[in-house]
Amino acid sequence: DAGVTQSPTHLIKTRGQQVTLRCSPISGHKSVSWYQQVLGQGPQFIFQYYEKEERGRGNFPDRFSARQFPNYSSELNVNALLLGDSALYLCASSFVGEQYFGPGTRLTVT
Amino acid sequence: AQKVTQAQTEISVVEKEDVTLDCVYETRDTTYYLFWYKQPPSGELVFLIRRNSFDEQNEISGRYSWNFQKSTSSFNFTITASQVVDSAVYFCALANRDDKIIFGKGTRLHILP
Repeated sequence: DAGVTQSPTHLIKTRGQQVTLRCSPISGHKSVSWYQQVLGQGPQFIFQYYEKEERGRGNFPDRFSARQFPNYSSELNVNALLLGDSALYLCASSFVGEQYFGPGTRLTVT
Repeated sequence: AQKVTQAQTEISVVEKEDVTLDCVYETRDTTYYLFWYKQPPSGELVFLIRRNSFDEQNEISGRYSWNFQKSTSSFNFTITASQVVDSAVYFCALANRDDKIIFGKGTRLHILP
């Protein structure tokens, strides 16, 4: 079985631009969560979606948004990018509480 | 508020030594889950273990063992006979019933040959 997949692997954007990151969960997993990991820190929770509904939101500005599709894949959108948004963005899919992470998308904002 | 503290920022040990990574957590929930993840240089978070708050039994998996003590709110991780491949950043984490995971800041482990 394929694990959690994320695209793209790496991304370079300019301040003020918008970015969309994509995640496909493990087959059978209906919950997807997004995390931001800045260099030298632990991942921080951004969003959780279950059955296309938002179940939780972390302490992130409204520039961050997400959605989940009928096939349970998910997109994370970040508008008006700031230098501080440079980070590894991790997606996790979960089933009965066990969360499995994808390889992440490394976003660099210049 | 929920919080995970990993006081050891960085540890270096010589190969074949045993090493223990400390984790202390805070939560007001009676039902919660504790995790350990490994993050090698490639960046992917590798799931190691999940324990629920009602199961205080220690666990052993090969060279890895975990000691969960509710009395001290600790969930420590020991690697026995460490190997160079164990070099990575290790995260302790906490979640309540809604699956939102709170991570510690991580401990960077260097295993020296």
